[in-house]
Amino acid sequence: DGGITQSPKYLFRKEGQNVTLSCEQNLNHDAMYWYRQDPGQGLRLIYYSQIVNDFQKGDIAEGYSVSREKKESFPLTVTSAQKNPTAFYLCASSILDVNEQFFGPGTRLTVL
Amino acid sequence: AQKVTQAQTEISVVEKEDVTLDCVYETRDTTYYLFWYKQPPSGELVFLIRRNSFDEQNEISGRYSWNFQKSTSSFNFTITASQVVDSAVYFCALRRDDKIIFGKGTRLHILP
Repeated sequence: DGGITQSPKYLFRKEGQNVTLSCEQNLNHDAMYWYRQDPGQGLRLIYYSQIVNDFQKGDIAEGYSVSREKKESFPLTVTSAQKNPTAFYLCASSILDVNEQFFGPGTRLTVL
Repeated sequence: AQKVTQAQTEISVVEKEDVTLDCVYETRDTTYYLFWYKQPPSGELVFLIRRNSFDEQNEISGRYSWNFQKSTSSFNFTITASQVVDSAVYFCALRRDDKIIFGKGTRLHILP
């Protein structure tokens, strides 16, 4: 089945540790995105990538890093510099020049 | 400024009632795209509809309908004969360049 996978669904980390969230898609989409969602809030864009080996900062990139070594994969690292990392993280992808984005199931990160 | 406002934070209706979710947007662009997404309790965002600024025809899909009015910068979403499975958070969104701006969402409770 084609789609976007994010793993794991729930993730717990100790404060001060870096953690990497995975996002894989087999839709052959060019663009991929990472969003953060806090309770009662909309989605805020962290990073996005329109092509392999290239990515741009979104609205809240501080404390996060990404890589795009393969078209199918866009992992997000939450670093210890992110002051409030506990949140729900959603990955999305889209075809370039087609406007809607399709989302993965999300990863709920809790930093203890 | 590009902005999406969903003034209704939370709505509760009894099953089988009709309900309208409001969305007001701001943009200086003459060409733009609007979207609605549904986020059920599982967390994944589900794409519902895309509307471009040149097409002001209202759209109906089963029990769902959308009313796009450029004159009032609104893109409202109506669910007819609501069902418990419609309970979710609904997001209105606006495309800006190669990114999508999301409203804060309306949490809809359909009571049995």
